[in-house]
Amino acid sequence: AQSVAQPEDQVNVAEGNPLTVKCTYSVSGNPYLFWYVQYPNRGLQFLLKYITGDNLVKGSYGFEAEFNKSQTSFHLKKPSALVSDSALYFCAVRAFEGNKFYFGSGTKLNVKP
Amino acid sequence: GAGVSQSPSNKVTEKGKDVELRCDPISGHTALYWYRQSLGQGLEFLIYFQGNSAPDKSGLPSDRFSAERTGGSVSTLTIQRTQQEDSAVYLCASSPGQGRFFWEQYFGPGTRLTVT
Repeated sequence: AQSVAQPEDQVNVAEGNPLTVKCTYSVSGNPYLFWYVQYPNRGLQFLLKYITGDNLVKGSYGFEAEFNKSQTSFHLKKPSALVSDSALYFCAVRAFEGNKFYFGSGTKLNVKP
Repeated sequence: GAGVSQSPSNKVTEKGKDVELRCDPISGHTALYWYRQSLGQGLEFLIYFQGNSAPDKSGLPSDRFSAERTGGSVSTLTIQRTQQEDSAVYLCASSPGQGRFFWEQYFGPGTRLTVT
């Protein structure tokens, strides 16, 4: 079965510190992986994706994510967190058949000044 | 340019009534998705349209749910005989459907449906 897991409901980090938001997946075939961010009272916004190629992908707002095939993970990272990064983050994987996307349950990131 | 728009932004309806939710995708986007987001849950895939191909309806939770996309643009999600468990935020997204941005989805603000 295809699925995405975000094991942390909430991540707290101090401004200026590095942050990691975890995501693991289960999908048949080669995965297409995505991160989206949902700011309060705003729609989801695309952050970055992994389709093929370099395992480290860079996206918007200084975020990056590392695809690890052996660990079936796609963790979101940022070297130095900002208070404005506080939001709800969703990991997603595309199922190879039918173009269906599976989203994780979301991780709330709290960055404190 | 204009993003994905959805209407209404909020809808309160009585149990048993039918509701229609509308999505206007970004002009030129050939792919369109509907999702449901319940409180504290991730996004649940409902249906996918791509161009003139038959839609992928595999995520629709029951036959009370249906969707159509007219002229390859505007889409309507219809829920018949609404139940309280249908209360959620319904999100629409579109994507170019081709090229290097094929899989990047642009989401609308959602319609918050409350069934009383």
